[in-house]
Amino acid sequence: EAGVAQSPRYKIIEKRQSVAFWCNPISGHATLYWYQQILGQGPKLLIQFQNNGVVDDSQLPKDRFSAERLKGVDSTLKIQPAKLEDSAVYLCASSLKIQETQYFGPGTRLLVL
Amino acid sequence: AQSVSQHNHHVILSEAASLELGCNYSYGGTVNLFWYVQYPGQHLQLLLKYFSGDPLVKGIKGFEAEFIKSKFSFNLRKPSVQWSDTAEYFCAVIVFNDYKLSFGAGTTVTVRA
Repeated sequence: EAGVAQSPRYKIIEKRQSVAFWCNPISGHATLYWYQQILGQGPKLLIQFQNNGVVDDSQLPKDRFSAERLKGVDSTLKIQPAKLEDSAVYLCASSLKIQETQYFGPGTRLLVL
Repeated sequence: AQSVSQHNHHVILSEAASLELGCNYSYGGTVNLFWYVQYPGQHLQLLLKYFSGDPLVKGIKGFEAEFIKSKFSFNLRKPSVQWSDTAEYFCAVIVFNDYKLSFGAGTTVTVRA
């Protein structure tokens, strides 16, 4: 069974630029999550989808971050414009349904200069 | 808000030593509990989980964890570590009906050969 796929794996941008990350969850998984992991901390949930609807986006900085999950499968997370403090690893995860075990992708390491 | 505390930031030990990592959470209701591991250069992987039933759960690679409800704890143990157990370990909790997975800050374990 293929795992959660993410791309790109690494991205370096300058502040005020925009960036987008892509995630393909495990086939059949209804729930998809985006996390931000800052160095030295545990992952923090940004947004959670159930199929193509948003379940929780309370910790998403909506002035600069946006995410969508069209057709309930793939998802993209965008940052526009980026700030220095956005430097982090962005993790995508999926689960069969809410509160079930989450399976994580390899993450995208973002560096904002 | 739910919080997860991991007592040790960095643990260094020799091969064959026993390992115990502490994890406490702040919510008193029904919870699902997880330990995830991240080996160097790899993505987060599930080590073990507790949803209900026997509070002593066994995971992969000889790890086990014990859920003690009265102490709000879910400590991870391994009786004899190997060099390959060098990794970062994260405790995570889902509160029933909250749907958000909250992570601790992680514990880096270094096993010396």
